[in-house]
Amino acid sequence: GAGVSQSPSNKVTEKGKDVELRCDPISGHTALYWYRQSLGQGLEFLIYFQGNSAPDKSGLPSDRFSAERTGGSVSTLTIQRTQQEDSAVYLCASSLRRQAEAFFGQGTRLTVV
Amino acid sequence: AQRVTQPEKLLSVFKGAPVELKCNYSYSGSPELFWYVQYSRQRLQLLLRHISRESIKGFTADLNKGETSFHLKKPFAQEEDSAMYYCALSGQTDSWGKLQFGAGTQVVVTP
Repeated sequence: GAGVSQSPSNKVTEKGKDVELRCDPISGHTALYWYRQSLGQGLEFLIYFQGNSAPDKSGLPSDRFSAERTGGSVSTLTIQRTQQEDSAVYLCASSLRRQAEAFFGQGTRLTVV
Repeated sequence: AQRVTQPEKLLSVFKGAPVELKCNYSYSGSPELFWYVQYSRQRLQLLLRHISRESIKGFTADLNKGETSFHLKKPFAQEEDSAMYYCALSGQTDSWGKLQFGAGTQVVVTP
């Protein structure tokens, strides 16, 4: 593909439901990031995958959040038992290697009602 | 731990005036510094990185290791420079190069 692709673009869910957000990185990129962008806030780091290393999960706000990256490519961010404070734009980015330019997807706007 | 600080949440400047966005970082080592920009309704994208020493869209940024700063400057702001700007750092030891962002500075250029 031409760039990082995220799906869905928009997701409205009821409080308490689980959601899955998908990220297709640029082919060959070994690093993959998830960030959260809330209204009026900056970019909050969530999780970072680098090659076959153990992911850095230090930014996940609670144990309701988890992410995996299968086969070193597609990544899924899962939020269980969603809360209203989870409403935000979730951004995925990938880079060719560590310390290289990160390319961002268009984001998934999650609204919890 | 690595940290990036952007002290200004909003910068409002007139067209043709100089603009400077401040960025200070905390990192013990040799980090790589970036500026990313997000125009309205567009994806976040790289503006410039310190190792390239380029001037992109008239913007420059110099890494000052003594002051641990990476301020972004443009001598004559244009209306199309209105956007959200993020300073970011990638370290060599923390998480193998995890990209850490500052809180961002919203730039508004008025005619």
